Parts: sequence; structure tokens; C-alpha cells
Amino acid sequence: AQSVAQPEDQVNVAEGNPLTVKCTYSVSGNPYLFWYVQYPNRGLQFLLKYITGDNLVKGSYGFEAEFNKSQTSFHLKKPSALVSDSALYFCAVRDIETSYDKVIFGPGTSLSVIP
Amino acid sequence: DTGVSQNPRHKITKRGQNVTFRCDPISEHNRLYWYRQTLGQGPEFLTYFQNEAQLEKSRLLSDRFSAERPKGSFSTLEIQRTEQGDSAMYLCASSLQTGELFFGEGSRLTVL
Repeated sequence: AQSVAQPEDQVNVAEGNPLTVKCTYSVSGNPYLFWYVQYPNRGLQFLLKYITGDNLVKGSYGFEAEFNKSQTSFHLKKPSALVSDSALYFCAVRDIETSYDKVIFGPGTSLSVIP
Repeated sequence: DTGVSQNPRHKITKRGQNVTFRCDPISEHNRLYWYRQTLGQGPEFLTYFQNEAQLEKSRLLSDRFSAERPKGSFSTLEIQRTEQGDSAMYLCASSLQTGELFFGEGSRLTVL
């Protein structure tokens, strides 16, 4: 069965510093990987995805993520954090080689960017 | 493209009552998903459809929960005999084949 782990419940970073939000996954086949952001009382917004190709993918709002197959990780990064980046971040995985390929989400990481 | 629409946005009900939520996906999307989310937690998979076919239903879902997607367009999620533990945000999302999910704003259920 597929699963997603986000080892940090909370990440605090100073404005202007680089940020990393960690994600590891487990699937039986090749994964499609996603990052979503959620602001208070809002639905989830898509940030970026890895399907195939270059291990470094770029997405919305200056975010990027690096796919590492050997470590089964897909960490979210941003070179310079903004206060407005403070939100909940969710990693998700789709196992395209199992039947029905449902999308499973991690437990989330709360990011706080301190002015 | 008006995005994914969910109604009602907030439902308050008494324990034991039935509630129904509606989701209108992005029109060309053939896949539709339902998730449940409690405060500060990740979305928990409930069920999903490809066109009108319900492909999988979470084993965590009791028989009180049922979902339909007639004609492969909008979907409804019904909860019968609601319990206080059903209080949560119910999220709907749609997608093309294996693309990213597009979420609605959610329907918040409060069971008194």
C-alpha cells in the first residue's frame, strides 16, 4: 500500500532564509508526487508535481522540489522564504502502477516564516 | 473554467440526522475524489470515481457513508445517522487521468 510521511509537524524559518519541508513516500511502483499548500479555512492549492524526467521540478510562488528515488524522498524547497509562505504544506503520492491509482496525502507540515 | 464547486459550505446538524454534500467538478475532468480533513491533519481518502464508476472506497468508511456520481458529472456524498465524530471538512477534488488534483473549498460539517 502507498504511504506518505512528513517527519516534521512544524518548520520555523526566518524571512529571507532558505526553507525545506521534508517528504518521504512508499509505493510499489513508480510514483507521481505532488505538493499542495493550504491557507487557513481554504481548500488545497497545487504547487508542483513530479511525473518523470528532471529530478528538480519548479512550481508556483518560487517553490521547487527534488525527487530522490534512492531515498524515496521529495523535499520541498525555496531559496528565500516570505512571511506569506506561512501555511500548511502537504505532500501527496499517486501510485500509477497499482489498480485505480488513488492519491494519498501526508499528515502535513506547518510552516511559519518569522519576520 | 469555474473550478471545483462544493455545496453547502457549512452544515450544522444534530446527531442522528442525514446530510448530503454536493460536488461539481471541473467539466472536462473524468476523475472525482472525496477526502475528509480534520483540523491540522492531512486529507484522508474516502472514495473516488472515474466517470460514473466508483473505483475504490476506503475501508475506514462505515456503511453510513455513500457516494454517487450519476452520469459522470456532479457527485454527492451522503452521511446517514450522523455522529459527533463525523464533524470534519469534506473535500472534493477532480482531475484528468493522472494529473494533479484540483480541490474545492470544502464543506464543513458540524454535528451537535
